[in-house]
Amino acid sequence: EVQLVESGGGLVQPGRSLKLSCAASGFTFSNYYMAWVRQAPKKGLEWVATISTSGSRTYYPDSVKGRFTISRDNAKSSLYLQMNSLKSEDTATYYCARLGGGTGSGYFDYWGQGVMVTVSS
Amino acid sequence: DIQMTQSPASLSASLGETVTIECRASEDIYNGLAWYQQKPGKSPQLLIYNANSLHTGVPSRFSGSGSGTQYSLKINSLQSEDVASYFCQQYYDYPTFGGGTKLELK
Repeated sequence: EVQLVESGGGLVQPGRSLKLSCAASGFTFSNYYMAWVRQAPKKGLEWVATISTSGSRTYYPDSVKGRFTISRDNAKSSLYLQMNSLKSEDTATYYCARLGGGTGSGYFDYWGQGVMVTVSS
Repeated sequence: DIQMTQSPASLSASLGETVTIECRASEDIYNGLAWYQQKPGKSPQLLIYNANSLHTGVPSRFSGSGSGTQYSLKINSLQSEDVASYFCQQYYDYPTFGGGTKLELK
């Protein structure tokens, strides 16, 4: 059974940093592109970052480019999201997700339960 | 960015009814479209990918269709457990999502 379990969320002040983690199990982690997707309270979904199988290629939307960094440790079957210079508009539930389709541009076939990040003074 | 416009924003239907949700892309996305179901307090779950392929374990009353810029999700014989929000997502380009449709029982 595919399982994705996020951790590391919490309350953080604007301008500070936070690092999220996602522990994967139930599949060969190193064979899949992985991603982070967020959802602001009562809002829709927004893609945040994607990383290739080896970690050599990363992709971001303009809203987080230069502030967020996605990384992975295939030996530990773990995905990470380093978030710097946080803004109030980054407040959201952050989901770790696996990309289906075997490529970097695809649909998200499995999602974690999500972790809440609140940016507020 | 490719914009995804989803309609309606909310929908009320009766048990056993057939429901259709539409999604329009700002440009041709060549069937690079997925549909997700999200129940309150839960994470999204994949229903459909490649516009019309059913994800593993998804009931056959869910189906997807469309091409070019116009896509739809149909739910046949609505069940109580289908009460949820539904989102479309294109992946022809960097992923973008529709605004969602909240489905309630009448």
